[in-house]
Amino acid sequence: GAGVSQSPSNKVTEKGKDVELRCDPISGHTALYWYRQSLGQGLEFLIYFQGNSAPDKSGLPSDRFSAERTGGSVSTLTIQRTQQEDSAVYLCASSLALNSGVVTDTQYFGPGTRLTVL
Amino acid sequence: LAKTTQPISMDSYEGQEVNITCSHNNIATNDYITWYQQFPSQGPRFIIQGYKTKVTNEVASLFIPADRKSSTLSLPRVSLSDTAVYYCLVGRSYSSASKIIFGSGTRLSIRP
Repeated sequence: GAGVSQSPSNKVTEKGKDVELRCDPISGHTALYWYRQSLGQGLEFLIYFQGNSAPDKSGLPSDRFSAERTGGSVSTLTIQRTQQEDSAVYLCASSLALNSGVVTDTQYFGPGTRLTVL
Repeated sequence: LAKTTQPISMDSYEGQEVNITCSHNNIATNDYITWYQQFPSQGPRFIIQGYKTKVTNEVASLFIPADRKSSTLSLPRVSLSDTAVYYCLVGRSYSSASKIIFGSGTRLSIRP
């Protein structure tokens, strides 16, 4: 099986435009995660999905950020009215069935989408 | 999730054993400890996971003392290709009240 894929690999946009980032998780992985990584920094958790549901959206930086997942597979992260501070690498990861209270799942990461806001 | 503390950077030489320690004083009873490795321009990759005592795989060993307030990732006989950022992650479940905290990681540089 293929690993986690993300598209586009690079995205350059102008300030104020909307962007959509896509993540295709590993087949059969019910949990999906989005992170943001600024240059030279650690990973900032944004949101996670169990199936199509996101239990906690408080990690999203602002109301310009939204994410959805349909069919328990593909997820899109949408950033509206992009700002220069949104420039970063956006990483997606997936893991096997995850129930609350169960052992921390191993996350498999995609290559990321490098977003540059001019 | 328990907060973790790691050294910002470490240097070593090829062929040496490298030990990276992570402090997690507030680890909960059911928390596991996971280490990830990240190369430039790539997503992190799972290295090893453990709960207590010692875990070993083909890549590394993980030592966890009895109080579990810290853990040490041990890389035997490192090579230049082990130059990367290493993250310690402690946690159990990703419930609605939790956030996943990778921290800033340890930047390991291996020299010839």
